[in-house]
Amino acid sequence: DAKTTQPTSMDCAEGRAANLPCNHSTISGNEYVYWYRQIHSQGPQYIIHGLKNNETNEMASLIITEDRKSSTLILPHATLRDTAVYYCIVRPRGKLIFGQGTELSVKP
Amino acid sequence: GAGVSQSPRYKVAKRGQDVALRCDPISGHVSLFWYQQALGQGPEFLTYFQNEAQLDKSGLPSDRFFAERPEGSVSTLKIQRTQQEDSAVYLCASSPPPWQGYGYTFGSGTRLTVV
Repeated sequence: DAKTTQPTSMDCAEGRAANLPCNHSTISGNEYVYWYRQIHSQGPQYIIHGLKNNETNEMASLIITEDRKSSTLILPHATLRDTAVYYCIVRPRGKLIFGQGTELSVKP
Repeated sequence: GAGVSQSPRYKVAKRGQDVALRCDPISGHVSLFWYQQALGQGPEFLTYFQNEAQLDKSGLPSDRFFAERPEGSVSTLKIQRTQQEDSAVYLCASSPPPWQGYGYTFGSGTRLTVV
């Protein structure tokens, strides 16, 4: 199973872009990169996923390097409600393995 | 329903007591997962069902933990003879068949406190 490495915490100013990095150097060719977030006292929430191409949806953008060894989640205009723990997950065969995640604090 | 429903939302159990935690997945979701989340940690995988079949129970920490999904919809996680180290939030997630998308939907969890 591929492991991921994320910074423990990050700060971002409200209205600015939040760029959350993730390293997954042992990812296999058929494994997707998933991002989830968990707001306090709630269950994790799906954000976005990708295989090798960059992806964008209404919540965020996902940039995956060409060698697939790292990725960046981008929240283009962070709001206070984006304060949460963000998990980068490489999916092994149907179950999500969560790491410690990055605690993102969006400040006014 | 619109989301994954878990009950009870909070449970306080005396050490040694048996507890049962319920998960109502989204209708039509064939996959169901249970996770355990200790305070300040990421969720830890416990077990996985596809319909009524329990395909992976490698994360169950001991034989005191048992999960079932007899009709392929509602699932129950049972913990026998609870211990203080079982105190955690227990999360349930469901997902549709792979051809319908990849997103997992989590419930809000059951917070179990063993005293």
